[in-house]
Amino acid sequence: SAVISQKPSRDICQRGTSLTIQCQVDSQVTMMFWYRQQPGQSLTLIATANQGSEATYESGFVIDKFPISRPNLTFSTLTVSNMSPEDSSIYLCSVGEGGMNTEAFFGQGTRLTVV
Amino acid sequence: DQQVKQNSPSLSVQEGRISILNCDYTNSMFDYFLWYKKYPAEGPTFLISISSIKDKNEDGRFTVFLNKSAKHLSLHIVPSQPGDSAVYFCAANIAGGGNKLTFGTGTQLKVEL
Repeated sequence: SAVISQKPSRDICQRGTSLTIQCQVDSQVTMMFWYRQQPGQSLTLIATANQGSEATYESGFVIDKFPISRPNLTFSTLTVSNMSPEDSSIYLCSVGEGGMNTEAFFGQGTRLTVV
Repeated sequence: DQQVKQNSPSLSVQEGRISILNCDYTNSMFDYFLWYKKYPAEGPTFLISISSIKDKNEDGRFTVFLNKSAKHLSLHIVPSQPGDSAVYFCAANIAGGGNKLTFGTGTQLKVEL
């Protein structure tokens, strides 16, 4: 399985600011995703990061709030913009090969606290 | 609308006994199901999966059972070990959906000595 590194692992941010989270994979992967896990909640898919084009967002998530880049097949960033305390969550990068019946793998997550 | 549900937020089992974690789903389009284990401050780790064309998949101490008609799956861990204590997430994937997953709310398993 791919080795996925996320940076930072945690951060405490002031409301109104933005934070960019990086996801680096040790091999080229077809699919990259960003998930959010709010306190006590399940993991929710934010968007699919598409290489060289705009990300595909899930219902309830918009590009202005969560801009995503994916310049190549091993790297992606997620920015949490204009943060509020409600954005306090764990943000997770996930990768997969996109084939039928294949598993996805996750980074260790970024624990974000907005104060 | 929670399409994947884990109705037991927590489960406590004695070491050596069987742990059974349950998961229900509502979307008939799901055709691939996965279980992940998550320790605090770590990302989810893939455990075991099952395709909708099967009703059982086994890997060492872990067995997943799928009942399509009931839209229910379960993860059996036997024998349970203290290192199995973690949050377990059930996840589901739609055919052609790549690796996009819909997750359940998780079950905290505690294996006691």
